Amino acid sequence: DAGITQSPRHKVTETGTPVTLRCHQTENHRYMYWYRQDPGHGLRLIHYSYGVKDTDKGEVSDGYSVSRSKTEDFLLTLESATSSQTSVYFCATAGLGQDTGELFFGEGSRLTVL
Amino acid sequence: SQQGEEDPQALSIQEGENATMNCSYKTSINNLQWYRQNSGRGLVHLILIRSNEREKHSGRLRVTLDTSKKSSSLLITASRAADTASYFCAFILTGGGNKLTFGTGTQLKVEL
Repeated sequence: DAGITQSPRHKVTETGTPVTLRCHQTENHRYMYWYRQDPGHGLRLIHYSYGVKDTDKGEVSDGYSVSRSKTEDFLLTLESATSSQTSVYFCATAGLGQDTGELFFGEGSRLTVL
Repeated sequence: SQQGEEDPQALSIQEGENATMNCSYKTSINNLQWYRQNSGRGLVHLILIRSNEREKHSGRLRVTLDTSKKSSSLLITASRAADTASYFCAFILTGGGNKLTFGTGTQLKVEL
C-alpha cells in the first residue's frame, strides 16, 4: 500500500472556525490531490498540486485553499468552515500524473461542521 | 457539473453471479479508470483503459470502452461476497491536464 496518511481522521468543528487537513505521503509522488466525497456526487476535485509550491484549482475550490511547501505534505485549509463543507475529504497522489497511471488514496478525513 | 454518471446506482446479486456496471461521460477523454471503495475506506485502483483500446481484462475484471457512445462497462465475473463495495469510473477529459473526474458510483452488494 502507498504510504498516504491523512490527519485528522475525524473532526467536528463549528461554523466560522478555520480547519486544516493534512496529507502526508512517503512515496515521493509528484502529484497530490484533494477530493471531497458527498452522497450522490461521487468524488469532486477541490485542488491539486503538480509540484512543490505549484497548485491549481479543481471543480469545487471556493472556500478552500491549499499549500505544498514540501513534496511529502499537502495541506487543505478551510478559512471559515461552513455547514456545506461537511464531507469526507480524500487525499490522493500520483507519481506519473493521472493520464499515465493510477491514483493512490488516503483513508479519508471526515469533517462535520455544526 | 457532474461529467460522469454510472448505472445502476445500486446492484444486489448472489455470489457466483456476474455484475455489470456502466459509466457514461459527456465529452472526449484520454483514458478511463475504474476504482473500488470499501465502506469507510479510500479508493483503490482496479484497471485503466486508454481511449484507443476497446477491451481490457484483469483477473475476474473485464472493462470495455466505446468512445463513440461515450460509455464504459465493468464486468466482475463469478462475484464473491468480498466484492461488496462501491465502484467508480474516473477519466481525464481531453485537455484536462492531470485532473481525474469521477462518476457517481455503483454500490454493489454480493450476497451469500
